[in-house]
Amino acid sequence: DVKVTQSSRYLVKRTGEKVFLECVQDMDHENMFWYRQDPGLGLRLIYFSYDVKMKEKGDIPEGYSVSREKKERFSLILESASTNQTSMYLCASSPGQNNEKLFFGSGTQLSVL
Amino acid sequence: GQSLEQPSEVTAVEGAIVQINCTYQTSGFYGLSWYQQHDGGAPTFLSYNALDGLEETGRFSSFLSRSDSYGYLLLQELQMKDSASYFCAPPGSARQLTFGSGTQLTVLP
Repeated sequence: DVKVTQSSRYLVKRTGEKVFLECVQDMDHENMFWYRQDPGLGLRLIYFSYDVKMKEKGDIPEGYSVSREKKERFSLILESASTNQTSMYLCASSPGQNNEKLFFGSGTQLSVL
Repeated sequence: GQSLEQPSEVTAVEGAIVQINCTYQTSGFYGLSWYQQHDGGAPTFLSYNALDGLEETGRFSSFLSRSDSYGYLLLQELQMKDSASYFCAPPGSARQLTFGSGTQLTVLP
């Protein structure tokens, strides 16, 4: 069975801390995504990657960066966490160019105090 | 760009049939996908319609009409575990990919 694994289910950090959210997929997918989900705002794309060492900004990249050193791993980095980055973070991967089927990780609920 | 419309909430009783509609406007077209998300969980893929018509997968079916820019998800023989949010999403490039705001389905006993 296909699997997207996010390193933490719940995370609590302090304002100003550097935060790493890790995501690993075991399906050899080219495409990987980071979304955040907030009540009433739906899923919003932060960054995505089509290949190793390749990254592109999504709709809300400010305050975030990403790293894709290996095909299976896509990391989201909050350089200096702020309270408005408290959210559910979802990683996803997709095998197809048209992204008709995304596989999601179980999510990381991040609280920034 | 993409624009999607779904009802925000739907309520039905166990054993009933419910239809969740999705209308969309998209600059490119690759079909329509549906996802289910339980409270506190991650979205999971339900179905994908590449062409017009009805696709059936067990109790769930999905329909697409490209000429009407319209699709729906049909859930039959509703069960309590079907209470969740349902999202429609026209596929496309990562930058085009958009998820609807979701329909919260509540199944009552």
